[in-house]
Amino acid sequence: DVKVTQSSRYLVKRTGEKVFLECVQDMDHENMFWYRQDPGLGLRLIYFSYDVKMKEKGDIPEGYSVSREKKERFSLILESASTNQTSMYLCASTGIYSPLHFGNGTRLTVT
Amino acid sequence: AQTVTQSQPEMSVQEAETVTLSCTYDTSENNYYLFWYKQPPSRQMILVIRQEAYKQQNATENRFSVNFQKAAKSFSLKISDSQLGDTAMYFCAFTTITGNQFYFGTGTSLTVIP
Repeated sequence: DVKVTQSSRYLVKRTGEKVFLECVQDMDHENMFWYRQDPGLGLRLIYFSYDVKMKEKGDIPEGYSVSREKKERFSLILESASTNQTSMYLCASTGIYSPLHFGNGTRLTVT
Repeated sequence: AQTVTQSQPEMSVQEAETVTLSCTYDTSENNYYLFWYKQPPSRQMILVIRQEAYKQQNATENRFSVNFQKAAKSFSLKISDSQLGDTAMYFCAFTTITGNQFYFGTGTSLTVIP
């Protein structure tokens, strides 16, 4: 089974802090994604990556950056956390012609 | 642009009954994939069922089946013999053949009532 692991299940950070959310997958998938999930808005794509060191902006990239130095790891960075970034963050990966496989989410609270 | 619409924010069903969740999408692509994902309170997103657009036959997975109407761009999920464990948020999703972009609906919260 594909395993996508997010490093933290819950995080509480202060406004202005730099925040790192880590995601690791073990199936050699080319594509990795970061989504934000908010009630009534579904999943919104922040960034995705289709290869090492490659990244593409999704629908809501403002305030976020990403890093993919190794194929199995995709990091989401909040350069200066703000309260409107309080949300659930979901990482996912996929290979060719395969569905998305998700981690079990990080609930981030920015105070 | 591709869009996915789920018009039912909340639904409920009696245990052992059947319920259908609606999903429509918009795309100019001819080949693509459609999915239903389930997110229980544990938050883990679980793939329920998958449909390839080039297949006319509706996908079935145990108690879960879809009604795929390509011309109408409709992809509904039918859950038969509903169980308490089916209580979850359900998301409809679409991806192109390249698989590097997935589009999600806003979700339907399903409650199964004992």
